[in-house]
Amino acid sequence: DTAVSQTPKYLVTQMGNDKSIKCEQNLGHDTMYWYKQDSKKFLKIMFSYNNKELIINETVPNRFSPKSPDKAHLNLHINSLELGDSAVYFCASSSNYGYTFGSGTRLTVV
Amino acid sequence: GESVGLHLPTLSVQEGDNSIINCAYSNSASDYFIWYKQESGKGPQFIIDIRSNMDKRQGQRVTVLLNKTVKHLSLQIAATQPGDSAVYFCAENIVGGSNYKLTFGKGTLLTVNP
Repeated sequence: DTAVSQTPKYLVTQMGNDKSIKCEQNLGHDTMYWYKQDSKKFLKIMFSYNNKELIINETVPNRFSPKSPDKAHLNLHINSLELGDSAVYFCASSSNYGYTFGSGTRLTVV
Repeated sequence: GESVGLHLPTLSVQEGDNSIINCAYSNSASDYFIWYKQESGKGPQFIIDIRSNMDKRQGQRVTVLLNKTVKHLSLQIAATQPGDSAVYFCAENIVGGSNYKLTFGKGTLLTVNP
């Protein structure tokens, strides 16, 4: 069983569209995250949620709206997609020490 | 290839050699550090961690060294194998802190030549 699973794995869409990426973890962790990895492989946190409550929003444009329906799910909705949003988006979850990452969603905006 | 334009620090070693990957961290309050391995097309994968009350920790073929005085971490991989080829990241965190996030370093591309 995949511990942190995110869908879709690849997403190609046109500028201006709205898209969602879903994430689910079966580890029983309280905290979930979205990270963005740019073309230079730099990983930067976007959001973190603890028990469905938003803890961190790292100055991400408000076109990005995370939603956590329960502590096992953290979805990412992106409105009005721009070329600069092209990146790999990773979902992760954590307990006190252990962080587990999903396999990523490669978003390409054309 | 994939590395074109990445501008990542790179380390190229021969199979069987030992590898040392270095990382400088930024926050002197960080007390928990993790090394991750990221293979092409995959998410970061946990390798080894260390708390700030230690200066060395060993795993299977890997050793992490922590120097808090100069805020430096290193990952040593013994008898490097082609399967070790990947991008390696260090990450720092404050356990029990309210910021709930890992801060990642830049990453180092390790290439193992057979």
